[in-house]
Amino acid sequence: GENVEQHPSTLSVQEGDSAVIKCTYSDSASNYFPWYKQELGKRPQLIIDIRSNVGEKKDQRIAVTLNKTAKHFSLHITETQPEDSAVYFCAASYSSASKIIFGSGTRLSIRP
Amino acid sequence: NAGVTQTPKFQVLKTGQSMTLQCAQDMNHEYMSWYRQDPGMGLRLIHYSVGAGITDQGEVPNGYNVSRSTTEDFPLRLLSAAPSQTSVYFCASSPGSIMNTEAFFGQGTRLTVV
Repeated sequence: GENVEQHPSTLSVQEGDSAVIKCTYSDSASNYFPWYKQELGKRPQLIIDIRSNVGEKKDQRIAVTLNKTAKHFSLHITETQPEDSAVYFCAASYSSASKIIFGSGTRLSIRP
Repeated sequence: NAGVTQTPKFQVLKTGQSMTLQCAQDMNHEYMSWYRQDPGMGLRLIHYSVGAGITDQGEVPNGYNVSRSTTEDFPLRLLSAAPSQTSVYFCASSPGSIMNTEAFFGQGTRLTVV
């Protein structure tokens, strides 16, 4: 069935270090993989996305990689800052059913 | 543009009561969806719509109804509230008829069923 698994559920890193969050998806037809950031009490907001014809995408300190063969995609945050503390969600599209499924979220904490 | 607007922001219901969560967008987006967010379970899709007059079920549709009579509005109806429906509900919209572009979320509705 349609499923997106996300790990870890919680992550604590020292300020300035890197953070990596990993997701796997079940449908080989998925072609769109967004990442959302949700700060405490706020709505989720898109921070970066990648499509299946691209293996990697960067935007300043944030990068996403996609391995279609293994059905894995990952979020990399470098030089972490206190404002990176939030819950991060990965997601995958299921175009055969016109819907998108989210992972269970990763709570990232940045230690000063 | 206001974006995606949800009302109310907070609601307390008694078991068995019914209510409608409102969602409106002013971006002329074709795709709209409803999610519920529970601790440790991420965002789970309840219902979605690819355009006016078209709706379909998501991962957790039981206990909820939707309709899409206009492009702008996508209300979510709880038929007979249960404590298991205590959650934060988010409405989202996206341009195009398929969910493969950025989703714009409303501010959420925190619902408690007692």
